Amino acid sequence: DAKTTQPPSMDCAEGRAANLPCNHSTISGNEYVYWYRQIHSQGPQYIIHGLKNNETNEMASLIITEDRKSSTLILPHATLRDTAVYYCIVRGFSGNTGKLIFGQGTTLQVKP
Amino acid sequence: NAGVTQTPKFRVLKTGQSMTLLCAQDMNHEYMYWYRQDPGMGLRLIHYSVGEGTTAKGEVPDGYNVSRLKKQNFLLGLESAAPSQTSVYFCASSSLTEENTEAFFGQGTRLTVV
Repeated sequence: DAKTTQPPSMDCAEGRAANLPCNHSTISGNEYVYWYRQIHSQGPQYIIHGLKNNETNEMASLIITEDRKSSTLILPHATLRDTAVYYCIVRGFSGNTGKLIFGQGTTLQVKP
Repeated sequence: NAGVTQTPKFRVLKTGQSMTLLCAQDMNHEYMYWYRQDPGMGLRLIHYSVGEGTTAKGEVPDGYNVSRLKKQNFLLGLESAAPSQTSVYFCASSSLTEENTEAFFGQGTRLTVV
């Protein structure tokens, strides 16, 4: 499974867009990019995932570069409740593995 | 719909004692996972299963055993607990298809080994 690199921490003003970057330069063609977040000590929560195309749902948007070596999670209007640790994960499905390997993540602090 | 349920939520063990953590999911998922999370760290994969009767090692399997006798349950065992196994343990499950692969997590089991 490809490794990911994320900045350890970021700040964002409430109401502004939060852009969280992730590098996954060794990603292979059949691997997806997933984003999860963990608020305080709760279990991680799924946000979004994608393969090649940009994706959007009610929580966030995922922008994947054309070469797929990096991606950005966008929270369009961050609120204080978005303060959490955000994990970018690369996940493949070949050989029935489907492992989810977490890195250190990015701690996002949304400030008033 | 309960999702993923972990039992127990809290436990204190003495060094050398054994225990089993239970993870139950009611979504008919094929994949199940056990993670541990130490303070200030990310989640580390202990063991996982891609279906009933199958298990595989993750990143940090030493000191743990698992079993998946029924599709809905994934058990994590500590045969002889050590203080280094003090951690929060999370279980997760997900489906097999690539189109619908969101993983659902339990609320965690906080284990202290003294």
